[in-house]
Parts: sequence; C-alpha cells; structure tokens
Amino acid sequence: AQTVTQSQPEMSVQEAETVTLSCTYDTSESDYYLFWYKQPPSRQMILVIRQEAYKQQNATENRFSVNFQKAAKSFSLKISDSQLGDAAMYFCAYRSAYGGANSKLTFGKGITLSVRP
Amino acid sequence: NAGVTQTPKFQVLKTGQSMTLQCAQDMNHEYMSWYRQDPGMGLRLIHYSVGAGITDQGEVPNGYNVSRSTTEDFPLRLLSAAPSQTSVYFCASSYSLDNYGYTFGSGTRLTVV
Repeated sequence: AQTVTQSQPEMSVQEAETVTLSCTYDTSESDYYLFWYKQPPSRQMILVIRQEAYKQQNATENRFSVNFQKAAKSFSLKISDSQLGDAAMYFCAYRSAYGGANSKLTFGKGITLSVRP
Repeated sequence: NAGVTQTPKFQVLKTGQSMTLQCAQDMNHEYMSWYRQDPGMGLRLIHYSVGAGITDQGEVPNGYNVSRSTTEDFPLRLLSAAPSQTSVYFCASSYSLDNYGYTFGSGTRLTVV
C-alpha cells in the first residue's frame, strides 16, 4: 500500500517570501501521479499542482512549483512571493496511474501554512 | 454548474440515529469516493466506487454503508451514528484513468452528540 508523509504539521512564512513544504511517499509502482491540494478556511479542496511520475520536468503553476525527486520519493511544493491568500492547509496526495480500483487518492496528514503580513 | 454536489453542509445527530449524506456529480465520472477528514489525520478513504453497481471498502469503512445505483449518485449511510463519526466528510469523483486530481464536493460537517 502507498503511504504519503508530511512531517511538518505547521509552517510560517513572511509575506512576499518563499516557502517550501515537504512531502515524501512510499510506493512500489513505477507510474503514478502526485498532487498538492490547498484547503482554505472555506473547507473547499483546491488542486494547486500535479506531477506525473514519468515526466522528469518539475511542474510549475504561476507562483507554485514542485521539486520532484523520483528516486528519493520526495515531492516538495515551493510557493514564491507568498501572499496572505496562501494561508491554508496543504495536502500532498498520491494516485496510481493504473486506474480502476487503483484510482484512490492517498493523502498525507497536511500542513498548516500561515502567512505573516 | 458542473461539479460535485454534497448535501447537507452541516448536520447534528444524536448517538444511534441514522442518516444519509448525499453526493451527486454531473461530469459522467465513473470513479466516486467518500473521505473523512479529522484533525491531524488528513483525509481517509471510507468507501469508493469504480462504476454503477460496484463499490468497495477503503481505509475506514466500519459504521458506513454505500451503494451506487447510477453513475451520478453515491450516497453514504451512517447506520447508527457514534461520537467517533464526528468529522468532515468529502465526496469526490474523477475519471478512473484521468491524470488530473479529483473534483471535490464542498464537504459536510457532521457532529454526533
């Protein structure tokens, strides 16, 4: 079974600075997808960024980028130019690429990010 | 608007009561799932379905029942509510081979007293 570990329960960043959120995972599969979700106080789950394991290039979405290290099974999220609206809980998640009953999303325990003005 | 619709948004139950959380999607997604979110635990899978008529257990299925009679609907039933089932519940759906993440409902905050 796959597991996702987020070892830092909380982090804080100064507005306009850069912060990196860590995530590691364990799997025996060779093809899979990794995601970062944001959950603001509204409770809505928002997809921030995704990475396909067979792609070596790190995904980027505006101020959000990842550092995907497949051999190390590491998938960290970097937020540049942090904004007050980035304050939220962030979840790292894993999904097999093999579909069907393997389509479940496995989440880490999440990290609460606060942004200081 | 297309998406996943969950009802109700809030619910308070007494211990021993039963209820059904509703989930509907209009995106023709074959894969649907229910998660519960508890502080410090992340989101844990309760039950999932890979298509109409097919359901299976996730990580924490005890005390919950599901059925999938149509592609669109995937209700979650609490058979006899217990305080340990106090949680936030999310329904989510996707294409099973989609390389995108899930589409989530807005969640149901359930309190069992």
